[in-house]
Amino acid sequence: QVQLQESGPGLVKPSETLSLTCTVSGGSTSIYYWSWIRQPPGKGLEWIGYIYYSGSTKYNPSLKSRVTISVDTSKNQFSLKLSSVTAADTAVYYCARQGERSAEVDYWGQGTLVTVSS
Amino acid sequence: QSVLTQPPSVSAAPGQKVTISCSGSSSNIGNNYVSWYQQLPGTAPKLLICDNNERPSGIPDRFSGSKSGTSATLGITGLQTGDEAHYYCGTWDGRLGAFVFGTGTKVTV
Repeated sequence: QVQLQESGPGLVKPSETLSLTCTVSGGSTSIYYWSWIRQPPGKGLEWIGYIYYSGSTKYNPSLKSRVTISVDTSKNQFSLKLSSVTAADTAVYYCARQGERSAEVDYWGQGTLVTVSS
Repeated sequence: QSVLTQPPSVSAAPGQKVTISCSGSSSNIGNNYVSWYQQLPGTAPKLLICDNNERPSGIPDRFSGSKSGTSATLGITGLQTGDEAHYYCGTWDGRLGAFVFGTGTKVTV
């Protein structure tokens, strides 16, 4: 059974860079797409982007200029960096796995709340 | 704002049936597979339906999905109080080059 676990700071200052890591167990990051999805408090889901094991990426156009997703297959981890954060980036951040054929999000981490505040 | 539109809320009595619509366009639902997610309060979303109408292992057959043109529908029969949750549709949008989620629907039993 694939399990994903997010880790990283729960508080980030405005204008700084949010950094999160997702550790995958029970499966390999050498296949599938590995994604980040966020959910502001009380709001809906927003797809941030994904990375394939080869390193190719796709990002949400609304966040593309600020997002970097990377993968370390040797550690079975992938990471998110979101630069120049503001209060609008406060959200629960989920790491997840997406299928190659139909892009369904089939496994999710438990989520981690990141608050942007000084 | 999302390119996939869902009703904000639906409700029905225990044992009854509800349907949730997800309206999109040719750049998303019209040409890609739709998936559906259940998010119970305080938890991560869970995949309910993939490939428009397929249930992953462990998902009861009370949940069903369908797609027609640029719209998709999630059906829940035999409603239980444990089905009270937010439900989201999702699909790839070829014009945006991104995965998109619906606006979400709260189901009240």
